[in-house]
Amino acid sequence: DAGVIQSPRHEVTEMGQEVTLRCKPISGHDYLFWYRQTMMRGLELLIYFNNNVPIDDSGMPEDRFSAKMPNASFSTLKIQPSEPRDSAVYFCASNPSGRPYEQYFGPGTRLTVT
Amino acid sequence: SQQGEEDPQALSIQEGENATMNCSYKTSINNLQWYRQNSGRGLVHLILIRSNEREKHSGRLRVTLDTSKKSSSLLITASRAADTASYFCATDFQGAQKLVFGQGTRLTINP
Repeated sequence: DAGVIQSPRHEVTEMGQEVTLRCKPISGHDYLFWYRQTMMRGLELLIYFNNNVPIDDSGMPEDRFSAKMPNASFSTLKIQPSEPRDSAVYFCASNPSGRPYEQYFGPGTRLTVT
Repeated sequence: SQQGEEDPQALSIQEGENATMNCSYKTSINNLQWYRQNSGRGLVHLILIRSNEREKHSGRLRVTLDTSKKSSSLLITASRAADTASYFCATDFQGAQKLVFGQGTRLTINP
């Protein structure tokens, strides 16, 4: 099993540009989570999906952030327009229904907005 | 916020010693988990303890849970250089799938 796959691993962009982060969960996992990690705020849950349906997006910081899961094997997190304060490491995680709480994390995408 | 708080924020010990990290949380939980994060990597699940359990072991890891004090501890025995990482506790939120993570303890094992 390849684990959770995220791309790109690093992204550097200028303020105002659109950024799209991608995630492929582990096959067979029903839940997908997007987190953001910064030194100041720690690890924050942004949104999570169950069977491709968004369940809780209360952590999405503002309308500039959007997430989609068009099918069971792919999800995107989009920031438009990006701002310097969005600089962080973004993690995707997934877990299967049978083990609802043990989450499997991807390697993360380090985003730098200049 | 239900966010857990780890204590200490940083811990540095010699290889072979035991390392103890603590976590406190604010509201009732169904379970508590510990995760490890190596530098530049994603988090890795270590162990889960349910609210009706008081202690759990996994290899060199020992986790305790005191629901009356809303606290947990993670003990790593006979530490190794490879244990150098940040350790996070995570609690479920109102029985939902979402987890709330603490700020983490940065553990350094000196050879």
